[in-house]
Amino acid sequence: QQQVKQSPQSLIVQKGGISIINCAYENTAFDYFPWYQQFPGKGPALLIAIRPDVSEKKEGRFTISFNKSAKQFSLHIMDSQPGDSATYFCAAPLGGSSNTGKLIFGQGTTLQVKP
Amino acid sequence: EAGVVQSPRYKIIEKKQPVAFWCNPISGHNTLYWYRQNLGQGPELLIRYENEEAVDDSQLPKDRFSAERLKGVDSTLKIQPAELGDSAVYLCASSRSYEQYFGPGTRLTVT
Repeated sequence: QQQVKQSPQSLIVQKGGISIINCAYENTAFDYFPWYQQFPGKGPALLIAIRPDVSEKKEGRFTISFNKSAKQFSLHIMDSQPGDSATYFCAAPLGGSSNTGKLIFGQGTTLQVKP
Repeated sequence: EAGVVQSPRYKIIEKKQPVAFWCNPISGHNTLYWYRQNLGQGPELLIRYENEEAVDDSQLPKDRFSAERLKGVDSTLKIQPAELGDSAVYLCASSRSYEQYFGPGTRLTVT
């Protein structure tokens, strides 16, 4: 079964630092790569997503970088804040033309930002 | 715009008992998803609906799980009978295009 490999599993960053989370995927049906943020007891919330006609997308302190040839994409959180402490999931669409809309999620990265 | 609504938020049942989860998607979202999220894992798709049609139920354990989406809006996911291994968070999501929006989930504990 296709997988999305996410790393690291956990990450500790000082306030103001840069948090970087990486994902690698296999074949996809189309190019759409979202990142979700999940707080304890809550559902995943869509944070930022990229449709890679571009290699990078920035929204505030959050940036997605995409490398299509390497089949990798990453989330960068600039000026990390304690409120960013959460679990982050990447996702990629499953390969095959009949699988439109089926996302495969990574295992998650637990981010802790220390004050 | 109201988000995806799920109920109940928590459910504790004994094994072999039935349980049902309800989801109301975001208004205008034709696609509805049910996911299961085990502790420390990412969500895994159980079933996807386009309007009232189940277009992908390949990951749904059909011997004990069933789902329906009457009139293409609300949806119900049922487990009968529940097993210990079904303890997880059951998430509902909806979308109009690529972006999927999740509800808060139902945390199921089977004892």
